[in-house]
Amino acid sequence: NAGVTQTPKFQVLKTGQSMTLQCAQDMNHNSMYWYRQDPGMGLRLIYYSASEGTTDKGEVPNGYNVSRLNKREFSLRLESAAPSQTSVYFCASSEASGQGYNEQFFGPGTRLTVL
Amino acid sequence: GNSVTQMEGPVTLSEEAFLTINCTYTATGYPSLFWYVQYPGEGLQLLLKATKADDKGSNKGFEATYRKETTSFHLEKGSVQVSDSAVYFCALSAYNYGQNFVFGPGTRLSVLP
Repeated sequence: NAGVTQTPKFQVLKTGQSMTLQCAQDMNHNSMYWYRQDPGMGLRLIYYSASEGTTDKGEVPNGYNVSRLNKREFSLRLESAAPSQTSVYFCASSEASGQGYNEQFFGPGTRLTVL
Repeated sequence: GNSVTQMEGPVTLSEEAFLTINCTYTATGYPSLFWYVQYPGEGLQLLLKATKADDKGSNKGFEATYRKETTSFHLEKGSVQVSDSAVYFCALSAYNYGQNFVFGPGTRLSVLP
């Protein structure tokens, strides 16, 4: 099992360029998430998908779009990158349990720099 | 809404010292509680978890007990090592909260030889 995989690992963009961050999980989880982590800060939720076919905004959705392509894949798109979007992006997945959700499994992250 | 509060860092300890990182939560219902660890340049890894009151999670010498009466889930280790230097995140999950998971801000631990 690869767990949660993310591509690319590193990316440098110029202001105004677009790109898509890819995420895939092989654990058959229904729920997937995108977070950003800025230096010295915790995680902030961008978007999540509770199940295939649904997506919802998190804490900081502006400037991003997502697509739940199928149960395995959840992509994050920056349509017009801005320097404020320089960050490390983490994808995660989880599954519901009897009283909430089981632990989230995280990918290794994508380190994005916007010049 | 649901929230998690952690002690502010950074925390600096000498090797073999005792570690406590405080975590308290606010939640409706009965959340599951987690501690995650993030080593430099890596993603978050689950360290331990507890799913009901009085449960004790443990892993790699770390322990935390789910205390419903004090809404706490403090992380402890009896003797830290240099290799424990990392950022530690307390988190909760609950069905009745839209985004399901809430993470604390993280506490950076540095262990000196």
